[in-house]
Amino acid sequence: AQRVTQPEKLLSVFKGAPVELKCNYSYSGSPELFWYVQYSRQRLQLLLRHISRESIKGFTADLNKGETSFHLKKPFAQEEDSAMYYCALRSLTFGQGTILTVHP
Amino acid sequence: DGGITQSPKYLFRKEGQNVTLSCEQNLNHDAMYWYRQDPGQGLRLIYYSQIVNDFQKGDIAEGYSVSREKKESFPLTVTSAQKNPTAFYLCASSIARSARYEQYFGPGTRLTVT
Repeated sequence: AQRVTQPEKLLSVFKGAPVELKCNYSYSGSPELFWYVQYSRQRLQLLLRHISRESIKGFTADLNKGETSFHLKKPFAQEEDSAMYYCALRSLTFGQGTILTVHP
Repeated sequence: DGGITQSPKYLFRKEGQNVTLSCEQNLNHDAMYWYRQDPGQGLRLIYYSQIVNDFQKGDIAEGYSVSREKKESFPLTVTSAQKNPTAFYLCASSIARSARYEQYFGPGTRLTVT
């Protein structure tokens, strides 16, 4: 069975601080992992995917197969990063979401 | 925005009535999906369709029905059998039903049943 766990429902940091949103997955095959973001009054949209190994808006995420994790990281959080973040596995399975608030 | 649209934005119904939510896309995507978004529960898959005239149940299909008569359209009917229909409903599409393709989401419909 596929499962995605985001252990933190809420995460608060101050501007300029590092931020890490945790994502753990359960899947026996080769995982395809994504991070989606939903800013206030905007649609849910793709932030990044593991296969691209890219950095978007300063965010990176590394797939760790040993720990079955795909944590999202940013070294210096900005107020505009405040949003709901979802980790997704193989297109159909989403985590519970983490609401990130970056305080000025 | 364009791409994928959902209507209406807000919908109110009395308990015991069926209601149909619209989802249309002009992205020429083969796959379409319906999710339900509840606070603290994330996105849960209701139904998905890989191609016209074909669809599969997701994790919480009970009390819902869909059709896929056209590539562009994937309406969702919330029936009176759905025990907790009040929620935010999201429609999405992707190029194909494959684990590697990202999904494009609509703006959502907030359904309130009283």
